Amino acid sequence: ETGVTQSPTHLIKTRGQQVTLRCSSQSGHNTVSWYQQALGQGPQFIFQYYREEENGRGNFPPRFSGLQFPNYSSELNVNALELDDSALYLCASSFRTGVMGTEAFFGQGTRLTVV
Amino acid sequence: QKEVEQNSGPLSVPEGAIASLNCTYSDRVSQSFFWYRQYSGKSPELIMSIYSNGDKEDGRFTAQLNKASQYVSLLIRDSQPSDSATYLCAVNSPGGYNKLIFGAGTRLAVHP
Repeated sequence: ETGVTQSPTHLIKTRGQQVTLRCSSQSGHNTVSWYQQALGQGPQFIFQYYREEENGRGNFPPRFSGLQFPNYSSELNVNALELDDSALYLCASSFRTGVMGTEAFFGQGTRLTVV
Repeated sequence: QKEVEQNSGPLSVPEGAIASLNCTYSDRVSQSFFWYRQYSGKSPELIMSIYSNGDKEDGRFTAQLNKASQYVSLLIRDSQPSDSATYLCAVNSPGGYNKLIFGAGTRLAVHP
């Protein structure tokens, strides 16, 4: 167990809807990163939150957005869902000091299916 | 050229053998390297991290890093059927934040 928890574990949404995924970081960690993993692929970096601000973003459109709260937990929001958004969404927790971070530990993931 | 490349496999080894998994990366300034294990339907689990050239051993696992060749490998000694999983190589992208760039993973199958 990594101490990183995500909810929900599974979700089915209809194309065009909006979804919010949640992540509680490991105790002592201050950074949360979100990744999307399509079937048969490695995780792709969506964005990272540090000190409640987005701090780095991958090649994802603005309809992917997020938040980090004072307790370091985080949300990933996806608007106007598309079929290609169907994937495993992973939250990774780490501790950052300065410009470098420690090892990242993943939660169990949220399996999103868009129909 | 992909930023992090791995052979997709499957790599099939008999129980008790050494499994050798390889990874190359394109960004010369990368500083941190990780191996994650992912069982089917589960999330990635960190098994090794390496930051300096050379070998790092942890139990049955040995990570090897050669920055000059931009090459990272993972050796699993005395492979067990429970080691059957996809192994993901990840490289920490430089640039001020802890972004991981993953390869597509190598599927390892250990047969009795």
